[in-house]
Amino acid sequence: DTEVTQTPKHLVMGMTNKKSLKCEQHMGHRAMYWYKQKAKKPPELMFVYSYEKLSINESVPSRFSPECPNSSLLNLHLHALQPEDSALYLCASSPSLWTGDNEQFFGPGTRLTVL
Amino acid sequence: GIQVEQSPPDLILQEGANSTLRCNFSDSVNNLQWFHQNPWGQLINLFYIPSGTKQNGRLSATTVATERYSLLYISSSQTTDSGVYFCAVGQKLVFGTGTRLLVSP
Repeated sequence: DTEVTQTPKHLVMGMTNKKSLKCEQHMGHRAMYWYKQKAKKPPELMFVYSYEKLSINESVPSRFSPECPNSSLLNLHLHALQPEDSALYLCASSPSLWTGDNEQFFGPGTRLTVL
Repeated sequence: GIQVEQSPPDLILQEGANSTLRCNFSDSVNNLQWFHQNPWGQLINLFYIPSGTKQNGRLSATTVATERYSLLYISSSQTTDSGVYFCAVGQKLVFGTGTRLLVSP
C-alpha cells in the first residue's frame, strides 16, 4: 500500500479561525513532509519530520505549526492566516530522510482558501 | 541551493506522438524523482531514478548523474497523459518549474 491520505480535501477559513490539516500513512515510513503549492508553481518544502522529530523548518511563519503525534500521523495547525496563504497543501512520506531509499509518496492535498 | 530547470515549459502533442522532457540540475544529487500532477493536484510517482535507465510501459527515464540531467520519454501519448510533469531532486525534493503537457485527440 503506497497511499498517503489527507483530510480535509477542501478548507475555507477566515483570517481569525484556527484549523488543522491532517495526513496519515501506513507504509512504515519514518520521514514525513509538508509542502505548499501556489497556483501554476511547483511545490515548495515547508517542514520535515524524521522519526517524529522536526528536522527541517524552511523558515515558515509561526502561523503554521506542525505536529507529529506518532510515526503515522502528521498535522499542520493553522492560525491567523492571510489570504496569500491560500494554496494546495501537500503531505508526503518516505522510508527515511537522509539515508538509503528516499522516494517520497504524496497525498492528494488539501486545497485551502483563506478569506 | 540547488537549481532545477525543466524544458520545454509547455508542450502540445497530437495523440500518438512521442516526446522527451528534460531536467537539468545544478549540483550532484543522490535522489531524483519524476512526477505527473493531474488536474486535481495529485502528484503521481512515475520514477525514482537517481541514476541509470528505467522503463514502465510507455514511459521511460534516464538520469546521467555525472552530467546533471535527466530525461523522461513518453511514447504513443494519450489524452490522459495531459498535465504537469515535474522532476524533483535532493533529500528535501527541490522541484523543477515543470513541463505542462497537453495531448489533443
